[in-house]
Amino acid sequence: EAGVVQSPRYKIIEKKQPVAFWCNPISGHNTLYWYLQNLGQGPELLIRYENEEAVDDSQLPKDRFSAERLKGVDSTLKIQPAELGDSAVYLCASSLGTSGVHYEQYFGPGTRLTVT
Amino acid sequence: ILNVEQSPQSLHVQEGDSTNFTCSFPSSNFYALHWYRWETAKSPEALFVMTLNGDEKKKGRISATLNTKEGYSYLYIKGSQPEDSATYLCAFINDYKLSFGAGTTVTVRA
Repeated sequence: EAGVVQSPRYKIIEKKQPVAFWCNPISGHNTLYWYLQNLGQGPELLIRYENEEAVDDSQLPKDRFSAERLKGVDSTLKIQPAELGDSAVYLCASSLGTSGVHYEQYFGPGTRLTVT
Repeated sequence: ILNVEQSPQSLHVQEGDSTNFTCSFPSSNFYALHWYRWETAKSPEALFVMTLNGDEKKKGRISATLNTKEGYSYLYIKGSQPEDSATYLCAFINDYKLSFGAGTTVTVRA
């Protein structure tokens, strides 16, 4: 069974440029998560989807971040424009069930973003 | 954002020794606690999902206990091996809000 796929693995951009990350969850997983992880800290939830609905986006900085999960499968996270402080690892995870927080999450390898 | 604390931040263990570390979380409105292992250059991998006070779970040499009334969980590694070197994260779920701790980084010396 294929795991959670993320691309790109690494991205270096200049500040004020846009950037997008893509995630393909495990087949059949209804719940999808995007996390931001800064060095020395735990992952911070940005947004949680159940199918195509964003059920928790309270921590997503909506002035520059956006996300979509068309057809309830793949998801894209976008930053526009990027700032120096956005440099971090962006993790995608998926889990079974519509009450996904009760199920273990399967993580992708992450995208390491460097903003210069 | 919920206050989830892990201690210690890091620890070094001699191969063959056992060790344990703590995840502390708010004791109100508990839903679940997850433990994950994150090895360098790999994806975080789920170890345990714990939902009931008094839960004890075991996977090989790794086990975990849960006390929801006082708000803590312990993770134990018995007879540490170099392959146990990783960062161990706990995630607390409260009313469908999920918060990770900063992790405990374990380094096992051969």
